[in-house]
Amino acid sequence: AQSVAQPEDQVNVAEGNPLTVKCTYSVSGNPYLFWYVQYPNRGLQFLLKYITGDNLVKGSYGFEAEFNKSQTSFHLKKPSALVSDSALYFCAVAWYGGATNKLIFGTGTLLAVQP
Amino acid sequence: DAMVIQNPRYQVTQFGKPVTLSCSQTLNHNVMYWYQQKSSQAPKLLFHYYDKDFNNEADTPDNFQSRRPNTSFCFLDIRSPGLGDAAMYLCATCSGRTTTDTQYFGPGTRLTVL
Repeated sequence: AQSVAQPEDQVNVAEGNPLTVKCTYSVSGNPYLFWYVQYPNRGLQFLLKYITGDNLVKGSYGFEAEFNKSQTSFHLKKPSALVSDSALYFCAVAWYGGATNKLIFGTGTLLAVQP
Repeated sequence: DAMVIQNPRYQVTQFGKPVTLSCSQTLNHNVMYWYQQKSSQAPKLLFHYYDKDFNNEADTPDNFQSRRPNTSFCFLDIRSPGLGDAAMYLCATCSGRTTTDTQYFGPGTRLTVL
């Protein structure tokens, strides 16, 4: 069965420092991986996805993620954190659920960026 | 701008009183999803439509129903809300043209059950 794990409930980082939010996956077949961000009382916003090709994927708001097949990881990164990046981040894996895809979400990681 | 719209953003209902949540999209996507999300947990898929074909998740309670009268609109009906149904309800869409399409989410409706 497809699954995704986010081992950290919360990540704290100082503004201006690099940030990493971790995600590992378990899939049968090729992994299709996504990152979403959720601000309080809002829906999920798509950041980036990995389908195939270059292992380093660049997305919105300066975020990027590195796909590592040997470690089955897809960690989200940003070189310099902003206070406005503070939010809940979800990693997800897509699988072909019949006619279209379904997303299996991780449990989420709360990112807190201190000024 | 093309988008996914949910109304209302906040809904208060009474225990057992039916409630309907609305989702519309201007993306002309074939697929529409409904998720339930409780207090910062991962969203849980309730069901989805591929065009007019309804696909229910095995563990979605019968209390939850959905309608999709046309491509643009999809409704979530909760027939007899219980206190445990208080949650954020998220609508999402994707084109459905490939299995790796991105799902785009609406802002959500926060449901309170009194």
